[in-house]
Amino acid sequence: QKEVEQNSGPLSVPEGAIASLNCTYSDRGSQSFFWYRQYSGKSPELIMFIYSNGDKEDGRFTAQLNKASQYVSLLIRDSQPSDSATYLCAVEKGDNAGNMLTFGGGTRLMVKP
Amino acid sequence: DVKVTQSSRYLVKRTGEKVFLECVQDMDHENMFWYRQDPGLGLRLIYFSYDVKMKEKGDIPEGYSVSREKKERFSLILESASTNQTSMYLCASSFWTSGGANNEQFFGPGTRLTVL
Repeated sequence: QKEVEQNSGPLSVPEGAIASLNCTYSDRGSQSFFWYRQYSGKSPELIMFIYSNGDKEDGRFTAQLNKASQYVSLLIRDSQPSDSATYLCAVEKGDNAGNMLTFGGGTRLMVKP
Repeated sequence: DVKVTQSSRYLVKRTGEKVFLECVQDMDHENMFWYRQDPGLGLRLIYFSYDVKMKEKGDIPEGYSVSREKKERFSLILESASTNQTSMYLCASSFWTSGGANNEQFFGPGTRLTVL
């Protein structure tokens, strides 16, 4: 089992719809969770950070964390073509070994006009 | 704005050459990281440094070494480049924090290395 798993996609949604991206992780000691967005040919950039169970909202983005079930998700409301990118889930290693992150393989999102 | 810069965007080297990739950050971050990114395999950590002259192996350190002589600079060295090291190399940096804090990693633009 991979440490951080994501469906590679592509996930295709129409413009204006809600895109739902999921991530599961295996390290029960992990405390910090991140969602990065990566456009083709560019480097990853952080869009959401979450460490408490429940939901965290920032504009059109909502991150959801359930530590008991070991999953973290990202919802994008009112999806726009500019949201088309690969979304990487990252989980801090549970032993806080120097703040190292383990990244999932990414989910490619395509938003169609 | 945090800035992480990498010495080259594109690099072509021959098998057996010694290759240096350099990364510089300007935000006084304690942590610096080297990753490689390959299609289908995602981002994989090669080496990490949490302080000057300190280094820790990541998930795939074989064939690589690193150097951190100054806080702002972290170098990745391929001692004898091989074709399976053709990849996108990404450098990142972050502050050190205790668990549960936002220790966001900021990424450089990447170096696409081709080994012929």
